[in-house]
Amino acid sequence: KAGVTQTPRYLIKTRGQQVTLSCSPISGHRSVSWYQQTPGQGLQFLFEYFSETQRNKGNFPGRFSGRQFSNSRSEMNVSTLELGDSALYLCASSSLSGQETQYFGPGTRLLVL
Amino acid sequence: AQSVTQPDIHITVSEGASLELRCNYSYGATPYLFWYVQSPGQGLQLLLKYFSGDTLVQGIKGFEAEFKRSQSSFNLRKPSVHWSDAAEYFCAVAALNSGGYQKVTFGTGTKLQVIP
Repeated sequence: KAGVTQTPRYLIKTRGQQVTLSCSPISGHRSVSWYQQTPGQGLQFLFEYFSETQRNKGNFPGRFSGRQFSNSRSEMNVSTLELGDSALYLCASSSLSGQETQYFGPGTRLLVL
Repeated sequence: AQSVTQPDIHITVSEGASLELRCNYSYGATPYLFWYVQSPGQGLQLLLKYFSGDTLVQGIKGFEAEFKRSQSSFNLRKPSVHWSDAAEYFCAVAALNSGGYQKVTFGTGTKLQVIP
């Protein structure tokens, strides 16, 4: 099976712009979670989607949003970018939720100038 | 709310030496516990996981971890470290929220350096 794929792998934006990141889960997986990783804050949970519904949400401002499509692919959007949004954004998929192992993609590295 | 503590930010070991990375968790019930490894610029790869049953868990790449409920610990071990093990290691705990859905909390990570 192909692993979790994320596009783009690298992205440079300027403050105030918005960005959309994409994640394609492992075939058959219905749960997609997003994480932000920074040197200062470590890995922080953003949100989780299952069957097109957001089921869990971390403590991030409303500028961070996401959605999931019927084929389980997920997108994450960040509006009005701030310098502090520079990070590695990781996507993870699992077949269900609750007791299932998450499989991570390689991440999208976002740099906000 | 659950939490994970990895007290060692950075560890250096010699190639061939044994390794133990510490992880302590806080959670009211029996947690689901994981160890992941991350190489520079890469995503996370699962090393092993504990859900229930035998408290000594075997993983990939020769790693093992032991769940000790009395100490709220899930330490990762390897008897002989290889240079390719140099990476950052994350301990994670998963718990069910009130809606019955999984929320995963990661520790801050331990960077492992291996010297020849």
